[in-house]
Amino acid sequence: SYELTQPSSVSVSPGQTARITCSGDILSKKFTRWVLQKPGQAPMLLIYKDTERPSGIPERISGSSSGTTVTLTISGAQVEDEADYYCYCVADNSWVFGRGTKLTVL
Amino acid sequence: EAQLLESGGGLAQPGGSLRLSCAASGFTFTREVMGWVRQAPGKGLEWVSYITGNGGGTDYSDSVKGRFTVSRDNSKNMLYLQMDSLRVEDTAIYYCAKDRPYDGDYWGQGTLVTVSS
Repeated sequence: SYELTQPSSVSVSPGQTARITCSGDILSKKFTRWVLQKPGQAPMLLIYKDTERPSGIPERISGSSSGTTVTLTISGAQVEDEADYYCYCVADNSWVFGRGTKLTVL
Repeated sequence: EAQLLESGGGLAQPGGSLRLSCAASGFTFTREVMGWVRQAPGKGLEWVSYITGNGGGTDYSDSVKGRFTVSRDNSKNMLYLQMDSLRVEDTAIYYCAKDRPYDGDYWGQGTLVTVSS
């Protein structure tokens, strides 16, 4: 089975850049997605195909990929960016999730 | 605009059954692989099951294999998850989801399943 590793938490001050990494061997072969989840809400897609943003997602949110590690970058972090962030990919129709990263902006 | 709308969640007793439904609209449902993902309270996202477009292929996570059955009715654009022999640890929000690697995945809003005596 595949594993994706994320830090459990990341903390930045308002206006700083937050970077959340996700690593796993499968990422060199499959596209990565990132979702944001706030308490009581469904996951919201932020990034797909490693670097693409769905319409409505601001440009300060970006994704990058290098080998077996992908990175979600949030520039100019705001208090409203506080949430849980999950990376995932789909391999053989099965969805493989990271354990999630709690972003704190304070 | 694509939409996935889950229903059927609620309270069930351990050992009991529930059937979840997912109504799909805004895309060509018939050809598409569909899946279920869940999230237990305070926990991360966990893949549960998938079914191929014609229903001929299915798979399940080890935690639900033998107890849950995924199916679909392409004439109604509906996806289902029959959950039997429910356990307390099946308590979660269940999301219907569609993998679109080149265009961005679809997620539903979820339906809450609570298994408790």
